Amino acid sequence: NAGVTQTPKFQVLKTGQSMTLQCAQDMNHEYMSWYRQDPGMGLRLIHYSVGAGITDQGEVPNGYNVSRSTTEDFPLRLLSAAPSQTSVYFCASSYSTGGGRSPLHFGNGTRLTVT
Amino acid sequence: AQSVSQHNHHVILSEAASLELGCNYSYGGTVNLFWYVQYPGQHLQLLLKYFSGDPLVKGIKGFEAEFIKSKFSFNLRKPSVQWSDTAEYFCALGGGSQGNLIFGKGTKLSVKP
Repeated sequence: NAGVTQTPKFQVLKTGQSMTLQCAQDMNHEYMSWYRQDPGMGLRLIHYSVGAGITDQGEVPNGYNVSRSTTEDFPLRLLSAAPSQTSVYFCASSYSTGGGRSPLHFGNGTRLTVT
Repeated sequence: AQSVSQHNHHVILSEAASLELGCNYSYGGTVNLFWYVQYPGQHLQLLLKYFSGDPLVKGIKGFEAEFIKSKFSFNLRKPSVQWSDTAEYFCALGGGSQGNLIFGKGTKLSVKP
């Protein structure tokens, strides 16, 4: 049982480059989300999805795009990387909403450095 | 607007000491409250949760938390910490119209052997 799988684990980008962080879950969860974790800032919600074909913005969406074409996958795209996007990114999923009664299941994270 | 405040940024304890980590939230509606733990180099894992009923909830590894509605608090406690409890602890609030989870900034716990 894989749970939530994120790839890659580490990535270094130059300013202006684009890339996609992959996230897949095999638990048939409707809700998926992306958080970024920065020292002293906790986790901040970037984008979330309550089901295939439905996405919405979180607290810090600028510079990121998402799509949800299937229940399993929820990729996060950085359109033009900036040093301010250096962070650890976590994908998380749950049966219902993120703050509801079913807990979030987290992936192992992607550590992104933008130079 | 919903928010979560964790009072301590970094707590250092010796093994066998008692632990209490503070968490206060701001939200006027029905809340779901969570504590997550992140061990070094790992992802977040659920420690315990409160939805309703008994305000004292017990989680894994001997942790417990008490929901005090009048104080908008959900403090995490453990009677006797171990070196293996060294981790970062996040309080989180669920609820509101969008139903997303709002995290506090985290408290780093270092336990000296």
